[in-house]
Amino acid sequence: EDQVTQSPEALRLQEGESSSLNCSYTVSGLRGLFWYRQDPGKGPEFLFTLYSAGEEKEKERLKATLTKKESFLHITAPKPEDSATYLCAVRRDSNYQLIWGAGTKLIIKP
Amino acid sequence: KAGVTQTPRYLIKTRGQQVTLSCSPISGHRSVSWYQQTPGQGLQFLFEYFSETQRNKGNFPGRFSGRQFSNSRSEMNVSTLELGDSALYLCASQRTDPFDEKLFFGSGTQLSVL
Repeated sequence: EDQVTQSPEALRLQEGESSSLNCSYTVSGLRGLFWYRQDPGKGPEFLFTLYSAGEEKEKERLKATLTKKESFLHITAPKPEDSATYLCAVRRDSNYQLIWGAGTKLIIKP
Repeated sequence: KAGVTQTPRYLIKTRGQQVTLSCSPISGHRSVSWYQQTPGQGLQFLFEYFSETQRNKGNFPGRFSGRQFSNSRSEMNVSTLELGDSALYLCASQRTDPFDEKLFFGSGTQLSVL
């Protein structure tokens, strides 16, 4: 069964304290893995798409990496405005439907 | 460029009623998809419309339906509401390619069924 699992469920960090969020997946024929950020009361906002193992993408303090079984979202020297829920989703080769993880709620304290 | 607009923002209905939600995609985007988000189940795909045709469908009962108009605006309808339909309903638009394009989400409609 296709599955996406994110960990931890919640993460509290001090401002400037770097860490990583994990997204592990079991899916046959990965077409792409997506990272989104969701703020309270808003819809998810696209961050990255990764297509193949070894691929990396960066945006400001965020860096996403992909292996054959999991993806990491690394956050370097986070700021309070990075507080949000980070969602991971995968798409199979043969199916348009995205399979979403439950998300990691990130809280950055000043 | 205006983002994805969903109306209404909040809705309160009672069991057995029906509801219609509206979504206006980003100008030039021809694909509109709908998602249900709940604390327990997370984000779940309902259906996707492209050029007024339902192109993909998730695993929801027939009470959930949708349509898309010639201007790409989309509506979603839920008939015979159940308590379990309480959720945030999100609409997302994308340009053309169904597989590779990123999704642009609206802020959602928060539906409460009493």
